[in-house]
Amino acid sequence: GENVEQHPSTLSVQEGDSAVIKCTYSDSASNYFPWYKQELGKRPQLIIDIRSNVGEKKDQRIAVTLNKTAKHFSLHITETQPEDSAVYFCAASIHFNKFYFGSGTKLNVKP
Amino acid sequence: NAGVTQTPKFQVLKTGQSMTLQCAQDMNHNSMYWYRQDPGMGLRLIYYSASEGTTDKGEVPNGYNVSRLNKREFSLRLESAAPSQTSVYFCASSEATGVEEQFFGPGTRLTVL
Repeated sequence: GENVEQHPSTLSVQEGDSAVIKCTYSDSASNYFPWYKQELGKRPQLIIDIRSNVGEKKDQRIAVTLNKTAKHFSLHITETQPEDSAVYFCAASIHFNKFYFGSGTKLNVKP
Repeated sequence: NAGVTQTPKFQVLKTGQSMTLQCAQDMNHNSMYWYRQDPGMGLRLIYYSASEGTTDKGEVPNGYNVSRLNKREFSLRLESAAPSQTSVYFCASSEATGVEEQFFGPGTRLTVL
């Protein structure tokens, strides 16, 4: 099956700095790559996603890039704010309905 | 719209006991999922149901069974609970194709003693 690896496991940045989280996947058939944010004690919520026919997608301060050749994708958060502090998960969908999640990155934004 | 709801929110079981986790969605989604979340391991798919009347195994199906009761409801059953099943369980739903957003329920925190 698919294997998704996520780095780093923890990330601490100063407010206003940028944060980058990276994921790699193993199966070249994966075609959908969502990113979820999970605040403490709450449910995961989608923040951005990208499909395999797109190289980059941006939504305000958040962007995702995909390199299909290298089989990796990254989440970029610019101008970080304390409310960005949470655990972020990447995922890859190898075919209909099967999602494989990374192990998560705990982002701490220091005021 | 309530979105995805789960019951119960918390549960403590003794080893060997059985229980069913309930999940319902009111978004008319075709696909539903059960995940478990353990510290440092992300979300792992237990079972999923691509559409009403179908169910399939995910990454970690051993020790669990599921029932897609109708389009709205998808239950997860532990027949004989083990301490290794202590986890937070999330139900999710999506439209259908697997390339769109999954909406998660609030989770059930299960402890098996």
